Amino acid sequence: DAKTTQPTSMDCAEGRAANLPCNHSTISGNEYVYWYRQIHSQGPQYIIHGLKNNETNEMASLIITEDRKSSTLILPHATLRDTAVYYCIVRVLHGSSNTGKLIFGQGTTLQVKP
Amino acid sequence: DAGVIQSPRHEVTEMGQEVTLRCKPISGHNSLFWYRQTMMRGLELLIYFNNNVPIDDSGMPEDRFSAKMPNASFSTLKIQPSEPRDSAVYFCASSKRYEQYFGPGTRLTVT
Repeated sequence: DAKTTQPTSMDCAEGRAANLPCNHSTISGNEYVYWYRQIHSQGPQYIIHGLKNNETNEMASLIITEDRKSSTLILPHATLRDTAVYYCIVRVLHGSSNTGKLIFGQGTTLQVKP
Repeated sequence: DAGVIQSPRHEVTEMGQEVTLRCKPISGHNSLFWYRQTMMRGLELLIYFNNNVPIDDSGMPEDRFSAKMPNASFSTLKIQPSEPRDSAVYFCASSKRYEQYFGPGTRLTVT
């Protein structure tokens, strides 16, 4: 699986949009971009994933550049509960099943401040 | 939906003792993953199963670690004998399609 690069930490004001960047310059054509987050002392939580089109769900939006070498996770209105470590991961999906593994890096520690 | 259930939540044991961690995946999920998290090494995949069959155990640190999945609703991770360097939080996750759902973890302390 391709390696990702993320900033170590970021701050965001409560109520503002949080934009978390991720570089994955060696991504292959069949690799998806995944985002997970881990709130302190809890297990990681799935946020969103995409291949090449932008994606949006109830938690966040994922913007993938046209060359797919980088992406941005957007939390549109950050709250204090969004303070967590955010992991960007690229991986291959084998068919429709989840037989691929996730390789977690160090992630970005997002601190949402009042 | 109860989510992924892990037990115990906390385990303190002495070096040399056997430790067994348990996981009940979400009903209907066909993949199960065991992870270990430490400050030094971050979150590492140890082993994963698909339809109860071990697919990739390359992350298992050594022969002291073993994992089983006797049926679709139960898995164990065993460490025998345990060592202080095994102290970590162990997460179990299950999946049906694209996303993995993680349990609350077992915090293991080996003294």
